[in-house]
Amino acid sequence: KNEVEQSPQNLTAQEGEFITINCSYSVGISALHWLQQHPGGGIVSLFMLSSGKKKHGRLIATINIQEKHSSLHITASHPRDSAVYICAATISSGSARQLTFGSGTQLTVLP
Amino acid sequence: SQTIHQWPATLVQPVGSPLSLECTVEGTSNPNLYWYRQAAGRGLQLLFYSVGIGQISSEVPQNLSASRPQDRQFILSSKKLLLSDSGFYLCAWSGYRGPPYEQYFGPGTRLTVT
Repeated sequence: KNEVEQSPQNLTAQEGEFITINCSYSVGISALHWLQQHPGGGIVSLFMLSSGKKKHGRLIATINIQEKHSSLHITASHPRDSAVYICAATISSGSARQLTFGSGTQLTVLP
Repeated sequence: SQTIHQWPATLVQPVGSPLSLECTVEGTSNPNLYWYRQAAGRGLQLLFYSVGIGQISSEVPQNLSASRPQDRQFILSSKKLLLSDSGFYLCAWSGYRGPPYEQYFGPGTRLTVT
């Protein structure tokens, strides 16, 4: 079983819809990261959070430490949001520099 | 601001040939540097990381090696490529203050071994 699990694996939405991608983890972590991988392969770090909630534009990331769960929300989705979204964890007991990755969520937003 | 460069962007190499991929970071000092590989249809896998010049940690045994000859330069090499080395190679950096460390990724090199 993966230490970091994401769902759904694939998600198709209509433009304007509110989108939620979920990430759960089974071990203690010091941080949870959300990354965005564009179709060309480039990866952008969206958020790193250890508690609570962070917001950047239409993107919101939340984490519940007790439930070992994080969500990435996209409000008013747009076709340019189409990408693979990856959650990754810095595991407390491991190397502080190593990220453990989820399998990614392929998001397609249709116009 | 910080910038991370990788080259080449795309590479096609025959089996058994050598490999050298380069990554450089601008706008920061003493970064942690990382090499990742993403095989087709699979997730990211950490290959190497470095906390300083000449200091390399290997996460996965393989026929690849890494070197850090300068503070902001990270090189991934192989003496003889295998078909299984095909994939998308990403370099990343993070600041030295942490944990946790937020990582910033380069544009990647797509390697096809034929």
